[in-house]
Amino acid sequence: NAGVTQTPKFQVLKTGQSMTLQCAQDMNHNSMYWYRQDPGMGLRLIYYSASEGTTDKGEVPNGYNVSRLNKREFSLRLESAAPSQTSVYFCAGKTKDRGTDTQYFGPGTRLTVL
Amino acid sequence: SQKIEQNSEALNIQEGKTATLTCNYTNYSPAYLQWYRQDPGRGPVFLLLIRENEKEKRKERLKVTFDTTLKQSLFHITASQPADSATYLCAQSSSNTGKLIFGQGTTLQVKP
Repeated sequence: NAGVTQTPKFQVLKTGQSMTLQCAQDMNHNSMYWYRQDPGMGLRLIYYSASEGTTDKGEVPNGYNVSRLNKREFSLRLESAAPSQTSVYFCAGKTKDRGTDTQYFGPGTRLTVL
Repeated sequence: SQKIEQNSEALNIQEGKTATLTCNYTNYSPAYLQWYRQDPGRGPVFLLLIRENEKEKRKERLKVTFDTTLKQSLFHITASQPADSATYLCAQSSSNTGKLIFGQGTTLQVKP
């Protein structure tokens, strides 16, 4: 099993450009999440998908859109990138184990917006 | 709103000593708290979970405590090794959707 995979690993964009971060999992997770991580800020939830076909906003959704393409894939789109979106982005899937929520993270995408 | 607070200052200890990391939460007591490890350039990895009604949970050299009176969880690594050097994140589930609220993490450096 590959677990949770993300592409690309690194990306540099110019202000105003658009791009889609891809995430796929082969762990049969129902729920998937997108976080951003900035120095001193910890992980902040951007969007999540509790199940296939549903998506909801997290703590910092402005400037982003998501698509839960199917159970395996959950993509994050930046329509018009801004320097404030320079960050490391993590995708995660969730397994409910004995009534608790353990998340499994991908390796991250490091995005720089110039 | 609920917050998770961890000491943002790095913790430096000598190999063989016990490392103790602190996680404090505000407002309501979560049903459980989770601890994750994050190495540079990698995603967080789940380590341990402790429920509200559990005082202590152990896994090999790791021990987690949960004190609802102090609104605090402590994470201990006994007989620490340089390989334990990483950032450790505390998290709680915020709702039935499985969303997690993370602390900012504490970086541990174990020196040989």
